[in-house]
Amino acid sequence: GQNIDQPTEMTATEGAIVQINCTYQTSGFNGLFWYQQHAGEAPTFLSYNVLDGLEEKGRFSSFLSRSKGYSYLLLKELQMKDSASYLCAVSGGSYIPTFGRGTSLIVHP
Amino acid sequence: KAGVTQTPRYLIKTRGQQVTLSCSPISGHRSVSWYQQTPGQGLQFLFEYFSETQRNKGNFPGRFSGRQFSNSRSEMNVSTLELGDSALYLCASSLEGLALSRNEQFFGPGTRLTVL
Repeated sequence: GQNIDQPTEMTATEGAIVQINCTYQTSGFNGLFWYQQHAGEAPTFLSYNVLDGLEEKGRFSSFLSRSKGYSYLLLKELQMKDSASYLCAVSGGSYIPTFGRGTSLIVHP
Repeated sequence: KAGVTQTPRYLIKTRGQQVTLSCSPISGHRSVSWYQQTPGQGLQFLFEYFSETQRNKGNFPGRFSGRQFSNSRSEMNVSTLELGDSALYLCASSLEGLALSRNEQFFGPGTRLTVL
């Protein structure tokens, strides 16, 4: 079966750094995605990892360890507009994506 | 470039009715995937269409079906609606489909379906 775990909610202060973790157990692996979803809006793509290591993209970075079934999304220099839900999704053996429930990030001044 | 569009944006139906939702992908994109999003279950994959063929199907009953036209536009149909079908239905388009690594999906704004 497919199982993806991520914290339900996190809070952080503007200007700080936050790390959102995601652990997964899937049958087959073809990559891991992170999406951002603001309330009432569609998810937007943030990052994709298929090999172990860190991928950096501006203020956002994503890390993957396939042997540990683990990923994290790192957000630096937090801004109020980063308050959103962050979805971890794994592309399984048949390329069907399985999503986590999402982590609601609240950034306060 | 216009984004993914979905119609209608909001819909209210009663149990037992059927509903058809429409999705127009980004121009040039050949793959359309459909998802159901609920507070309890999160985002769940329904199916993917690529060049008018269903490529993948998630774990949903046969009441959920779809199709894709030659212009890549896609429709999703739910028959015999149940209260539990109330959800946000999202479609996403990509250039070459889910089976291509690093293939970014672009989501539409969704259709909010309420079943009474």
